[in-house]
Amino acid sequence: AQTVTQSQPEMSVQEAETVTLSCTYDTSESDYYLFWYKQPPSRQMILVIRQEAYKQQNATENRFSVNFQKAAKSFSLKISDSQLGDAAMYFCAYNGRETSGSRLTFGEGTQLTVNP
Amino acid sequence: DGGITQSPKYLFRKEGQNVTLSCEQNLNHDAMYWYRQDPGQGLRLIYYSQIVNDFQKGDIAEGYSVSREKKESFPLTVTSAQKNPTAFYLCASRKQGLFGYEQFFGPGTRLTVL
Repeated sequence: AQTVTQSQPEMSVQEAETVTLSCTYDTSESDYYLFWYKQPPSRQMILVIRQEAYKQQNATENRFSVNFQKAAKSFSLKISDSQLGDAAMYFCAYNGRETSGSRLTFGEGTQLTVNP
Repeated sequence: DGGITQSPKYLFRKEGQNVTLSCEQNLNHDAMYWYRQDPGQGLRLIYYSQIVNDFQKGDIAEGYSVSREKKESFPLTVTSAQKNPTAFYLCASRKQGLFGYEQFFGPGTRLTVL
């Protein structure tokens, strides 16, 4: 079974600085998608960024980018120019074509604090 | 605006009672999901449905039941058999057919057993 591991339960960053959240996963599939979701204090889950395993180029969405290392099964999220509104729980998620179908497997989450 | 609604936002239940959580979507999505979230933890899949009148157990289905009579609706019943039902419940939906689409989430229901 696929597993997703987020080894940092909590992280903090100063406003305007950069922070990287780690995620590793275990799979035997070659065709899959990876996601980062954000859950702010409102508890509404919001998609931050998505990466397809076949694309070598790392996905980027404004201040959010990923470092996708397929061989190492690593998928870290970098937040640049951190803002107070970035404070949230961040979840890494995996979706494999063959074994997962439409299911997502989530990591345990990383609680990000942004200090003014 | 299209989206997912969950009601109620807060729900209180006495021990031994069944309770039903509502989830409705107007995104025309085929697949719908129910997750449970405990404090400081990730999301665990309870049940999911990929088409009307069909659903599959997730990782923690014991003590829960669902129905999918309409494409737009996927209610979750928390039965008295669920040993520790106090949690935050999230409903999600997703386009079916194309691989890699993300799931869209509702605002959640906080269930407390008194």
